[in-house]
Amino acid sequence: GENVEQHPSTLSVQEGDSAVIKCTYSDSASNYFPWYKQELGKRPQLIIDIRSNVGEKKDQRIAVTLNKTAKHFSLHITETQPEDSAVYFCAVSGGYNKLIFGAGTRLAVHP
Amino acid sequence: DAGVIQSPRHEVTEMGQEVTLRCKPISGHNSLFWYRQTMMRGLELLIYFNNNVPIDDSGMPEDRFSAKMPNASFSTLKIQPSEPRDSAVYFCASSWDLYNYGYTFGSGTRLTVV
Repeated sequence: GENVEQHPSTLSVQEGDSAVIKCTYSDSASNYFPWYKQELGKRPQLIIDIRSNVGEKKDQRIAVTLNKTAKHFSLHITETQPEDSAVYFCAVSGGYNKLIFGAGTRLAVHP
Repeated sequence: DAGVIQSPRHEVTEMGQEVTLRCKPISGHNSLFWYRQTMMRGLELLIYFNNNVPIDDSGMPEDRFSAKMPNASFSTLKIQPSEPRDSAVYFCASSWDLYNYGYTFGSGTRLTVV
């Protein structure tokens, strides 16, 4: 089955810096790649997603890039703010929208 | 739109007892997913339904776990008998379609088995 690896597991940045989180996947048939943000004690919430026919997608300070050949995709957060501190999960889906999640990255943004 | 509604928010039970978790998906969503979240294993997909029919239950850890979706607006996840290792946050999520639409998660049920 699908295997998703996410790196790094923890990331600490200064406010205003950029943060990059990377995920690799194993199934070349996967075609949908969402990112979720989970604040402490709350539910995961979708922040951005990308489909396999697109190489990059941007939404204000966040962007996702996809390299289907290498089977990896990345989340980029620019101009980080303290409220960006959370756990971020990548996920991968093929066919039946069965999302397989990465292990998560705990991002800490220090003022 | 009230979102995905889960109950109870917290459940503390003794080992061996039956536990039932409940979920009401967003109206109009026809796919429903049950996930379990722990520090050690992250977010694990247990089972998912499409149009009230179970599609894949390969993630259900063992026979003690069962899930049903009797209609489009209600699903249950049952653990009988419960064990301390079942302690986790259980999330229900729903989406418009089986094909590549982002999920909306409920607030989760934090289960503690003592």
